[in-house]
Amino acid sequence: DSGVTQTPKHLITATGQRVTLRCSPRSGDLSVYWYQQSLDQGLQFLIQYYNGEERAKGNILERFSAQQFPDLHSELNLSSLELGDSALYFCASSVGALQPQHFGDGTRLSIL
Amino acid sequence: AQKVTQAQTEISVVEKEDVTLDCVYETRDTTYYLFWYKQPPSGELVFLIRRNSFDEQNEISGRYSWNFQKSTSSFNFTITASQVVDSAVYFCALNDGAPGGYQKVTFGTGTKLQVIP
Repeated sequence: DSGVTQTPKHLITATGQRVTLRCSPRSGDLSVYWYQQSLDQGLQFLIQYYNGEERAKGNILERFSAQQFPDLHSELNLSSLELGDSALYFCASSVGALQPQHFGDGTRLSIL
Repeated sequence: AQKVTQAQTEISVVEKEDVTLDCVYETRDTTYYLFWYKQPPSGELVFLIRRNSFDEQNEISGRYSWNFQKSTSSFNFTITASQVVDSAVYFCALNDGAPGGYQKVTFGTGTKLQVIP
């Protein structure tokens, strides 16, 4: 058990919809990272937050947004969903930047 | 631009053989960190090792060893006497940028290792 909790584990929705994925980091970790893993794109870094502030941005679409709240949990919002957004979305946390990341079990998003 | 290349897509070995997973990286930063993660069939991602750009010492942890060479921008991972439980996808990752500043995290495409009994 990594200590990182992601909910929900599975999500099935339709194109054009909006969903919110939630992540609770390990106790004491200030950094939260979001990744998208799909069969054709591999593991893609989306965005990182450190203590509530955005610290790094990867290949995150404009339809996607994220935030980290004062209690350090984070949410990833995906809107105007497309079939290609179907993927496994991982959250990871670390004590600080450049530290080892501990991953949650992921949220499997299926777009029908 | 940052880039991590894991040229080996899939590798199959027979149990007890040694296997090396290659990782080549590109970055313009002088300060960076390299990581290896393991993703077993169950799907979770597990941290294996972190190495900073100023520490070129090789590291050994049980059957695992890592060879970091800045001259060739490589950070290779060797499993000695492989076991079936080593079957997984292994990712190499690069995290660069100054601590406290803006950073970028780049993962390689992964190498799928299958250890055959």
